[in-house]
Amino acid sequence: DAKTTQPNSMESNEEEPVHLPCNHSTISGTDYIHWYRQLPSQGPEYVIHGLTSNVNNRMASLAIAEDRKSSTLILHRATLRDAAVYYCILRNTDSWGKLQFGAGTQVVVTP
Amino acid sequence: EAQVTQNPRYLITVTGKKLTVTCSQNMNHEYMSWYRQDPGLGLRQIYYSMNVEVTDKGDVPEGYKVSRKEKRNFPLILESPSPNQTSLYFCASSLWSFARYEQYFGPGTRLTVT
Repeated sequence: DAKTTQPNSMESNEEEPVHLPCNHSTISGTDYIHWYRQLPSQGPEYVIHGLTSNVNNRMASLAIAEDRKSSTLILHRATLRDAAVYYCILRNTDSWGKLQFGAGTQVVVTP
Repeated sequence: EAQVTQNPRYLITVTGKKLTVTCSQNMNHEYMSWYRQDPGLGLRQIYYSMNVEVTDKGDVPEGYKVSRKEKRNFPLILESPSPNQTSLYFCASSLWSFARYEQYFGPGTRLTVT
């Protein structure tokens, strides 16, 4: 399975944007890029996903590099509620629903 | 409200005493799955189910059983729990198993086996 690499932690001030990088240099053409987050004492929560094009939803934006070897999750205005561990995951079309979470990035939001 | 529910949320038990953790979803999802989360190991898939009466092993199925008799329910059974099954367990569901569909997770069940 293709692996992802994320920084261990990132800090941001409240109401400022947060850019979370993810490297996936061995990504295949059939891998979707998914982002989940896990707030303290909660189950993982879906954030966004994409294949080739940039994606936006109410929670975040996903910017995918042209060669697809990296992507960036963008939280436009961080709030205290966004403090969580963010996971970048590759899901192959043959994965049959399996999610393999790595260590993720711990996001700290400062008031 | 669309959700995945798990019961119990916390459980302390002793080695060898059979237990069942229930999972239910109200979104008419075809796909359901169980994961365990341990420090330093991330989430690892235990079992998954593509539909009623269709289940298959994930990465760490040893010591666990599942059944899918109804679409909405996917219980996890530990026939003879051991201390190495002390973990945080999550149930998840998805409309389909395909990669482009997101998974919805339950709140988790923290199990301690003494």
